[in-house]
Amino acid sequence: EAGVAQSPRYKIIEKRQSVAFWCNPISGHATLYWYQQILGQGPKLLIQFQNNGVVDDSQLPKDRFSAERLKGVDSTLKIQPAKLEDSAVYLCASSLGLRGGDYGYTFGSGTRLTVV
Amino acid sequence: DAKTTQPPSMDCAEGRAANLPCNHSTISGNEYVYWYRQIHSQGPQYIIHGLKNNETNEMASLIITEDRKSSTLILPHATLRDTAVYYCIVLSYNTDKLIFGTGTRLQVFP
Repeated sequence: EAGVAQSPRYKIIEKRQSVAFWCNPISGHATLYWYQQILGQGPKLLIQFQNNGVVDDSQLPKDRFSAERLKGVDSTLKIQPAKLEDSAVYLCASSLGLRGGDYGYTFGSGTRLTVV
Repeated sequence: DAKTTQPPSMDCAEGRAANLPCNHSTISGNEYVYWYRQIHSQGPQYIIHGLKNNETNEMASLIITEDRKSSTLILPHATLRDTAVYYCIVLSYNTDKLIFGTGTRLQVFP
């Protein structure tokens, strides 16, 4: 079974520029999550999708971050404009159903963003 | 969701059992205990989860106290590849969100 694919693996941008990350979840996984992990901290949930609808985006800084999930499959996370404090690893995870606990959450390797 | 408390770091000799504790004194009846680990530069990896009973799989064992206020993850024969940050998470089936703390950094030494 292929895992959760994320790209790019690394990205360096200047502050105030925009950036986009892409995630392809495991086939058939209805629920998709984006996490932000700042160095030395645990991952922080940004947004949760169920199919192509948003379940929870309460922690997403909506003034600069946006996310969408096309046709309930792939997802993109965008930052515009980026700030220095956005430097982090952005992780995508997916699970089979809304009650992902029984089936587990599978994480991608993440995109490491550096804002200079 | 209930909060968890873990020691920030632990050491373990290779080949010995690693016992990682977790306190979750405010856990409620419909909340499960999950353990994930994160090896450097990788995404978190699922290890095991449980509700009331002790659980065992090919990776580890999970021991949950009778009052469910604490648990211990056991890696029976730690190897150098088990060096990672281990996260204990309480998951409510009502919210279905993995909320990570800061975890325990386990260092396995030769």
